[in-house]
Amino acid sequence: NAGVTQTPKFQVLKTGQSMTLQCAQDMNHNSMYWYRQDPGMGLRLIYYSASEGTTDKGEVPNGYNVSRLNKREFSLRLESAAPSQTSVYFCASSARPQGYEQYFGPGTRLTVT
Amino acid sequence: GNSVTQMEGPVTLSEEAFLTINCTYTATGYPSLFWYVQYPGEGLQLLLKATKADDKGSNKGFEATYRKETTSFHLEKGSVQVSDSAVYFCALSDIKGGSEKLVFGKGTKLTVNP
Repeated sequence: NAGVTQTPKFQVLKTGQSMTLQCAQDMNHNSMYWYRQDPGMGLRLIYYSASEGTTDKGEVPNGYNVSRLNKREFSLRLESAAPSQTSVYFCASSARPQGYEQYFGPGTRLTVT
Repeated sequence: GNSVTQMEGPVTLSEEAFLTINCTYTATGYPSLFWYVQYPGEGLQLLLKATKADDKGSNKGFEATYRKETTSFHLEKGSVQVSDSAVYFCALSDIKGGSEKLVFGKGTKLTVNP
């Protein structure tokens, strides 16, 4: 039981390049989330998927797109990376109804130059 | 909207000292409250939670009580260890349109020295 896995762990992009961050969970959870973590800002929600086939914007969705490929996988895409997207990205999942506890992946550290 | 305010760090303590990290919240309704911990280089892990007023969450010697009258969920530990050095996040559940999300505070970095 691996929990929540994310790939890659580290990535460096040039401004304007695109990439997809991958996330998978093996806990049969319905809901999945993407956050970014910046110094002094805590975690901010980018997008979430309450269930397979649905996605919704969070607090900071601009510049990102997501795909809930199936129940296990939830990807985050940067179409044209900008230096402001330099951050650590975390994927999380949760089961309903269980007190809304979320389980987090180890994170992807992204640098955009 | 719902929000969480937690004390700013960093906090530096000596081993065996008493720890308090303050957390207050603003919310409509009765959210669940959480403390998450992030060790260096890792993702967040749930430390403890409380789902209704006057509930006390506890784990690994840490405790927090859901205080509706003061809208607070302060984290406490009687005797910290070096291994408790981490960033601690207070969070609350936010339910809209049938979807649950978490709203996080900005985090408090704790360093415990031997």
